[in-house]
Amino acid sequence: KNEVEQSPQNLTAQEGEFITINCSYSVGISALHWLQQHPGGGIVSLFMLSSGKKKHGRLIATINIQEKHSSLHITASHPRDSAVYICAVKETGNQFYFGTGTSLTVIP
Amino acid sequence: KAGVTQTPRYLIKTRGQQVTLSCSPISGHRSVSWYQQTPGQGLQFLFEYFSETQRNKGNFPGRFSGRQFSNSRSEMNVSTLELGDSALYLCASSLDLLVFGSYEQYFGPGTRLTVT
Repeated sequence: KNEVEQSPQNLTAQEGEFITINCSYSVGISALHWLQQHPGGGIVSLFMLSSGKKKHGRLIATINIQEKHSSLHITASHPRDSAVYICAVKETGNQFYFGTGTSLTVIP
Repeated sequence: KAGVTQTPRYLIKTRGQQVTLSCSPISGHRSVSWYQQTPGQGLQFLFEYFSETQRNKGNFPGRFSGRQFSNSRSEMNVSTLELGDSALYLCASSLDLLVFGSYEQYFGPGTRLTVT
């Protein structure tokens, strides 16, 4: 049983395209995190959400608590956005659960 | 401000040996969490320490243990290594904004452990 499901698993886009990555979860949460992992392993926290919507540059993250769903949007995608994007939730019982990641490749 | 540092960055051990990994959090951060990442299982939560106390623990056997020191630096130890313990071990530190019920995490570069 996966507490966090992401889709799609793999995504290839042309530079400039609008990209959406989806995350659904099955547990009660206190926060949802979107993480970015580049080849070589380093992880960067992009967003932490508990409600609503956040925007940082070309990245937008939304969460619908009632539907247990979050989306990460990338506007005007660029090759440097190529990375694995991981959805993670902090359960109200304080456990962390991770999605399996979405591998994004943006082609120039 | 310096980021989260982990040492060593790479490590090769033999089955049956034990290993200790170290994590120095961002100055002022009191919470340190540890994660294991493998190609098969993805990222999994190991444990979290706050003020020298283990606050949460994931679903890992007792061979995996950790501790946190008074300066918030943390170590994790894996005893009797198995081939399946080969993984990238990541630590993350955070302020502990319990009033909000959640907190942003800052990840270290990881220690890549290979067990042969």
